[in-house]
Amino acid sequence: NAGVMQNPRHLVRRRGQEARLRCSPMKGHSHVYWYRQLPEEGLKFMVYLQKENIIDESGMPKERFSAEFPKEGPSILRIQQVVRGDSAAYFCASSLKVQGGNEQFFGPGTRLTVL
Amino acid sequence: GESVGLHLPTLSVQEGDNSIINCAYSNSASDYFIWYKQESGKGPQFIIDIRSNMDKRQGQRVTVLLNKTVKHLSLQIAATQPGDSAVYFCAEIGGSYIPTFGRGTSLIVHP
Repeated sequence: NAGVMQNPRHLVRRRGQEARLRCSPMKGHSHVYWYRQLPEEGLKFMVYLQKENIIDESGMPKERFSAEFPKEGPSILRIQQVVRGDSAAYFCASSLKVQGGNEQFFGPGTRLTVL
Repeated sequence: GESVGLHLPTLSVQEGDNSIINCAYSNSASDYFIWYKQESGKGPQFIIDIRSNMDKRQGQRVTVLLNKTVKHLSLQIAATQPGDSAVYFCAEIGGSYIPTFGRGTSLIVHP
């Protein structure tokens, strides 16, 4: 059973370009979470999605950031017109259910560098 | 011990010693807690969890203690090994089911 997969592992973008980060959850998991981690800090929640629905996007900036989890295919975190402050590690996690237990399995992350 | 400034708190131990990593959580309504281990360049990995109706839970070489009175969580690692070197995060979860992560503690195990 493959774990959570993220690609690319490393992404370099110039200011103003778009970044697309992909996350494939564990098999059977329909809950996906995106987090951002700055150096020497904990993970900060961005958005929680179920298939085709955004459940909670309270941690995601209102501008330039969007996320989706289509019926088929991976979840996508999209950052438009990137700025240097977007440089961080972005982690995706998935879980089987949300009630009665919230153990989330994390992917290896995508390290975004904005030049 | 702890370092100041922007660096992570750091705990240095000798191989074979027991390690205790502490975490203070903020929300008294949190009812589920998880400890994660994050190795360099990797995502967080689940270690052990505990619910608020318990004050202790044991796993393999790890024990989590919960003190709700002072909102304190600790992770004890027995017979620490070099492979335990990593950053350890506690996370608290309340009614929103979205975990709030602490800043982390860096554990360094010297052979």
